[in-house]
Amino acid sequence: GAVVSQHPSWVICKSGTSVKIECRSLDFQATTMFWYRQFPKQSLMLMATSNEGSKATYEQGVEKDKFLINHASLTLSTLTVTSAHPEDSSFYICSASRVEGTEAFFGQGTRLTVV
Amino acid sequence: AQSVTQPDIHITVSEGASLELRCNYSYGATPYLFWYVQSPGQGLQLLLKYFSGDTLVQGIKGFEAEFKRSQSSFNLRKPSVHWSDAAEYFCAVGLGYGGSQGNLIFGKGTKLSVKP
Repeated sequence: GAVVSQHPSWVICKSGTSVKIECRSLDFQATTMFWYRQFPKQSLMLMATSNEGSKATYEQGVEKDKFLINHASLTLSTLTVTSAHPEDSSFYICSASRVEGTEAFFGQGTRLTVV
Repeated sequence: AQSVTQPDIHITVSEGASLELRCNYSYGATPYLFWYVQSPGQGLQLLLKYFSGDTLVQGIKGFEAEFKRSQSSFNLRKPSVHWSDAAEYFCAVGLGYGGSQGNLIFGKGTKLSVKP
């Protein structure tokens, strides 16, 4: 299988600050990357889909100005949570596909805590 | 609206016993169905998937799942559970063209505990 790595694995930030989470495909080129959010004892919810070199497509209800997604290269996508608030505390997971419609490989997730 | 239901939040089985995790879906078109496993603090690992063809699907780690259209179900089974199978299991339905495996709707998960 292919390897997807997220960094950091966990992060604590102060309310009002911004935090960036990286998602890297280590041994393949990912045309498409996906960002999910997982609340405690809840399922994963797709936040947005990003294609390399294009603007991300956000799911309904996800604030695009708050959750900035950049997919500048075939191996890296970043999610920036701007002006973070405690309610943004969650587990964020990315996945990556070589080509949209093919198997997506998941990263290990990032635990964000906003205090 | 599309949805995935995993009725059991938490299941405990004895090591060596058989296992069945339930999954029901609601989807208007032909579903593309997946089972993932998540260990604590880890990402998701694909166990198996169903796109078409044989309704009994074999996966990794000795897991299998059966697609039953009439029951809108895709239950996961394993004949003999090992202690290392303790984890959280997610059922998902794929949306998008070709059942895109990135655009997924997940169930809430079933936590599996294994007794020695």
